[in-house]
Amino acid sequence: EIVLTQSPGTLSLSPGERATLSCRASQSVISDYLAWYQQKPGQAPRLLIYGTSSRATGIPDRFSGSGSGTDFTLTISRLEPEDFAVYYCQQYRSSPPGFTFGPGTKVDIK
Amino acid sequence: EVQLVQSGAEVKKPGEFLRISCKGSGYSFTSYWISWVRQMPGKGLEWMGSTYPSDSYTTYSPSFQGHVTISADKSISTAYLQWSSLKASDNAMYYCATFSAGSPFDYWGQGTLVTVSS
Repeated sequence: EIVLTQSPGTLSLSPGERATLSCRASQSVISDYLAWYQQKPGQAPRLLIYGTSSRATGIPDRFSGSGSGTDFTLTISRLEPEDFAVYYCQQYRSSPPGFTFGPGTKVDIK
Repeated sequence: EVQLVQSGAEVKKPGEFLRISCKGSGYSFTSYWISWVRQMPGKGLEWMGSTYPSDSYTTYSPSFQGHVTISADKSISTAYLQWSSLKASDNAMYYCATFSAGSPFDYWGQGTLVTVSS
């Protein structure tokens, strides 16, 4: 089973700054099946990025994903007030379906 | 519009039976998988298992195998998560979410809060 590690645990930044979040897998992620979710307090998670770098429907282009193998990154180019939240990476496999989440990175206001 | 509407919050005692539900609408219910995800208070997301309503094929995370049952009734476009005997450690928010093969979770329910207390 793949284990995902996210760093840092908390990222304190100001609106307008660039956020770089890391997700590292214990073994290579097959087919770059790596996704990112955003979760705000009291809300369900929302899919941001799938397939390592593809934005989900309606996601602003300030969000971008990159990486391969075991190292992946979510970048928020310029933080907006609504971007302060917890971000989770997730590895997924096709057959049979299986999913693993990272522990999350909290992006809070500095 | 795709919607997953979950049943309401539950307060139960240890040892009790519980089944919570997730009703899908706005899409072909039998063409997509449904997963259940646990979030314990102040903690992260954990995949519990997934079911394919078309043929009822179900797969579980090893961490949850034997502790919960996931099922679906395609005639009413509803998926279920059930416990035969709740424990205090089952206190959590539970989300359902849809996905297609080789894809992550694209639509989520609003969550069902389960409180287990004596």
